[in-house]
Amino acid sequence: AQSVTQLDSQVPVFEEAPVELRCNYSSSVSVYLFWYVQYPNQGLQLLLKYLSGSTLVKGINGFEAEFNKSQTSFHLRKPSVHISDTAEYFCAVTPSGGYNKLIFGAGTRLAVHP
Amino acid sequence: SQTIHQWPATLVQPVGSPLSLECTVEGTSNPNLYWYRQAAGRGLQLLFYSVGIGQISSEVPQNLSASRPQDRQFILSSKKLLLSDSGFYLCAWGTGGTYGYTFGSGTRLTVV
Repeated sequence: AQSVTQLDSQVPVFEEAPVELRCNYSSSVSVYLFWYVQYPNQGLQLLLKYLSGSTLVKGINGFEAEFNKSQTSFHLRKPSVHISDTAEYFCAVTPSGGYNKLIFGAGTRLAVHP
Repeated sequence: SQTIHQWPATLVQPVGSPLSLECTVEGTSNPNLYWYRQAAGRGLQLLFYSVGIGQISSEVPQNLSASRPQDRQFILSSKKLLLSDSGFYLCAWGTGGTYGYTFGSGTRLTVV
């Protein structure tokens, strides 16, 4: 079975500062990895995903994530955040090669302050 | 393109009243459909999923039920709401592991 741990429940940061949201997963098989963003009172929106190939994945809104198989991590980064990036971020994993349910982490609340 | 509709956006219901939340998907066929709940300050809890008409799997025992009367329709119901049923309910669909899920805009349910 797969599991996802998001190491920080809340991350406060000042505007224009860099940010990293951490995600570690556990799986005995190869996986696909996803990051979703949820703005207040809205559904989740896909930010980026890792399926295979290059371990550095670029997504929307200037976010990127790096897949590290040896450390079983998929941390999300942005070099300079904006107030509008304030939201909840969810990491998710699913076994690769076929269809399976996504397993979500508990979420990290990013609060960007002026 | 595929779209997912979820309604209502907001709902306030008294304890003991029935509930019906509807989710429909357009632009795809035979999607896998999911109902999630977010309680205040908590993550996503998978409630039900369905791989086809009339096929419902329940992830956690609770006061809610789900039905899939048509290929692209997924309904979340309760006969008698409890205070603990309050939360943000999200519908999602997916057709393959590489695509992840697409989520609806959610329903904010407050049971009073």
